[in-house]
Amino acid sequence: ETGVTQTPRHLVMGMTNKKSLKCEQHLGHNAMYWYKQSAKKPLELMFVYNFKEQTENNSVPSRFSPECPNSSHLFLHLHTLQPEDSALYLCASSPTSVGAAYQETQYFGPGTRLLVL
Amino acid sequence: QKEVEQNSGPLSVPEGAIASLNCTYSDRGSQSFFWYRQYSGKSPELIMFIYSNGDKEDGRFTAQLNKASQYVSLLIRDSQPSDSATYLCAVLKDYKLSFGAGTTVTVRA
Repeated sequence: ETGVTQTPRHLVMGMTNKKSLKCEQHLGHNAMYWYKQSAKKPLELMFVYNFKEQTENNSVPSRFSPECPNSSHLFLHLHTLQPEDSALYLCASSPTSVGAAYQETQYFGPGTRLLVL
Repeated sequence: QKEVEQNSGPLSVPEGAIASLNCTYSDRGSQSFFWYRQYSGKSPELIMFIYSNGDKEDGRFTAQLNKASQYVSLLIRDSQPSDSATYLCAVLKDYKLSFGAGTTVTVRA
């Protein structure tokens, strides 16, 4: 248990559905991240939030829409996804992503396994 | 060129042996280096990190960093069946973490 929780753990959705993934961290961290992990591929960084502000959008399609209402919560809103979006979506947090960057350690939640039909 | 490269494996070692995992990275400005372990169907969990040249030991694990060669490694001593997993090398620069594809390790009893 890393102190980062994600819900739901599994999600099956059709291409026309709208759903949201939720992440919550109980570590007092100020930075939160969304990653995508597809089979046989490295983790791909999607979004970074620092102190609730988005600081990185790694060329993610607009059908993925993040939201960070406060430093403890992060959402990923999903709309009109494609089958190739099926993957494990991981949330992570770190103390801060400014300042002593070399000391940053990211802690991952358990992930949401998404299947798009 | 990939930012972070690892041998995909699988790396098969007998129980009690040393497993040696290698990782190279392309950006000389990289600041810190992490090893994560990921069991099948689970999320990555941090094993250890290193940011200075040399060795860093934590229990049965030793990370080695050579910035001149842009190389980082992980040694697992006295390998146990519970060490069977995929090991991810991650490189941090300016708060962005880049991952390798991982090396799958199988420890056979």
